[in-house]
Amino acid sequence: DAGVTQSPTHLIKTRGQQVTLRCSPKSGHDTVSWYQQALGQGPQFIFQYYEEEERQRGNFPDRFSGHQFPNYSSELNVNALLLGDSALYLCASSRRSTEAFFGHGTRLTVV
Amino acid sequence: AQKVTQAQTEISVVEKEDVTLDCVYETRDTTYYLFWYKQPPSGELVFLIRRNSFDEQNEISGRYSWNFQKSTSSFNFTITASQVVDSAVYFCALSEVEEYGNKLVFGAGTILRVKS
Repeated sequence: DAGVTQSPTHLIKTRGQQVTLRCSPKSGHDTVSWYQQALGQGPQFIFQYYEEEERQRGNFPDRFSGHQFPNYSSELNVNALLLGDSALYLCASSRRSTEAFFGHGTRLTVV
Repeated sequence: AQKVTQAQTEISVVEKEDVTLDCVYETRDTTYYLFWYKQPPSGELVFLIRRNSFDEQNEISGRYSWNFQKSTSSFNFTITASQVVDSAVYFCALSEVEEYGNKLVFGAGTILRVKS
């Protein structure tokens, strides 16, 4: 049984570009959440998707957007990248409000 | 607003020592969840425990134990007879009880280094 899978593992982008990160939830899970973890800090909640709708959102600008597909997989899009967007982006899945399981993350570097 | 404080930035112990990681939280909710996650160098957050605010019973799982004290808003984590493989960053987290899923508020984490 595959856990939460994220792609790509690493990514380097230039300031101003756009990026799309992908997440496949653990089998049987229907809720996907995204977190941003800057170096040396705890993860910060970006948003959460359930039934293809954004259900909760953290304190992140509109440059951060997402999508959930009918198969429960999800994408995180970030537009107009800033140097400060460099971080580890973690995807977590759960079945409604059960405990969340995390993927290995995508390491995004903005240069 | 919810807040989680892990005052210990880094702890170093020698193998077989016991170690306690502190976690203090703030919330206005009467019902909430508390969590501990382990983050090894690979980056993945590994789920360790979830505790409902109504359940103040301490829990033990092998070498791991958790002490939840609502009166002091603390949820401390103890590793008994630590091992080198326990070296990681440990995060305490808090969430409201939500219909669709937990929106986790994390502490800054505690780096645990276990030396042989």
